[in-house]
Amino acid sequence: DAGVIQSPRHEVTEMGQEVTLRCKPISGHNSLFWYRQTMMRGLELLIYFNNNVPIDDSGMPEDRFSAKMPNASFSTLKIQPSEPRDSAVYFCASSLKGAGYEQYFGPGTRLTVT
Amino acid sequence: KQEVTQIPAALSVPEGENLVLNCSFTDSAIYNLQWFRQDPGKGLTSLLLIQSSQREQTSGRLNASLDKSSGRSTLYIAASQPGDSATYLCAVTGANSKLTFGKGITLSVRP
Repeated sequence: DAGVIQSPRHEVTEMGQEVTLRCKPISGHNSLFWYRQTMMRGLELLIYFNNNVPIDDSGMPEDRFSAKMPNASFSTLKIQPSEPRDSAVYFCASSLKGAGYEQYFGPGTRLTVT
Repeated sequence: KQEVTQIPAALSVPEGENLVLNCSFTDSAIYNLQWFRQDPGKGLTSLLLIQSSQREQTSGRLNASLDKSSGRSTLYIAASQPGDSATYLCAVTGANSKLTFGKGITLSVRP
């Protein structure tokens, strides 16, 4: 299995632009998680999906952030408009049955907003 | 609100030493606890997962223990090697099914 796939691996954009991060979970996994990692705050859960349905989005920082999972093999995290404080590494992870099961992480997308 | 603490933030040891990494959490109502490894610029790799009903898990030179009542876990690494150099993160799954991470311990094993 290829593992969790994220794209792009690096993204540099200007403040105010829209950014879309993509994730393909491991085939057969029915839970998908988006995390953000910064030096100051560490790793934080933004949102997670079970069977393509958002279960908990309380970690989404504000309305500029949105996430979708149109099918079992694809999810997006969108930031519109982006701000310099959104600069971070964004990780996607998937698990077989839910948050209580082992999570497999993608390589992350390093986002820089100038 | 669950808080996970890992102290110290960094550790440097000579090769061959046995070492213990500590993790503490404030809310003992957890489903499980996981230890992850993160190499620079990479994603996280799950090392061990301990269910709340278990006391410990072992994988090769790694042994993780869990004392839920006291809110503590330790990751024991036997005979450390330079290849063990990485950041080790502890995370707990709470009753709300959220995974809460510590900030990690950056380990450097000197040849």
